[in-house]
Amino acid sequence: QQQVKQSPQSLIVQKGGISIINCAYENTAFDYFPWYQQFPGKGPALLIAIRPDVSEKKEGRFTISFNKSAKQFSLHIMDSQPGDSATYFCAARTTGGGNKLTFGTGTQLKVEL
Amino acid sequence: KAGVTQTPRYLIKTRGQQVTLSCSPISGHRSVSWYQQTPGQGLQFLFEYFSETQRNKGNFPGRFSGRQFSNSRSEMNVSTLELGDSALYLCASSPGTAKETQYFGPGTRLLVL
Repeated sequence: QQQVKQSPQSLIVQKGGISIINCAYENTAFDYFPWYQQFPGKGPALLIAIRPDVSEKKEGRFTISFNKSAKQFSLHIMDSQPGDSATYFCAARTTGGGNKLTFGTGTQLKVEL
Repeated sequence: KAGVTQTPRYLIKTRGQQVTLSCSPISGHRSVSWYQQTPGQGLQFLFEYFSETQRNKGNFPGRFSGRQFSNSRSEMNVSTLELGDSALYLCASSPGTAKETQYFGPGTRLLVL
């Protein structure tokens, strides 16, 4: 059972553009939503994370928007750069679930010049 | 601080064999989680260890097992390897209490022939 649905599967954006990746979840017990960035041959690295008590969190060019009622959250990458080309995963974790992360299926982002 | 290290980085095994993968967490981290990453299933949680005890377990068969030592280093073992076990096995560490950032290692690429 896929508890976190991620879209799109792949995305091509022009340099300077905005990249938007969306995730939807089913389990209302999720209370922590991180985004990870993964480059080929590397492990995922935490990019930014949000808890459901806020609707938006911004760190540099990266912003998470969170809609608790719709059970959706999204990652916006402003002024996308070729160096942002990577695979992005959304994830979720429940209270009392220890460190178990449930991941989305990933979005392969390519930023073209 | 040094990051999460995993050994070996690459491994080729034959169906039916068993394999042991090792993970050294960031110094001071007491929680170690293991994930399997495949193109078809994405990132899936295997198990988490905290203070030498399994705290969480994913939906994998009993052929997958793990343990954690007193120095927080962890190993995972897969017995009776199947072709479908070919994957990138990722280890992630965190300080220990729940709701903390997990830091991933580079992974061990296992190929089962």
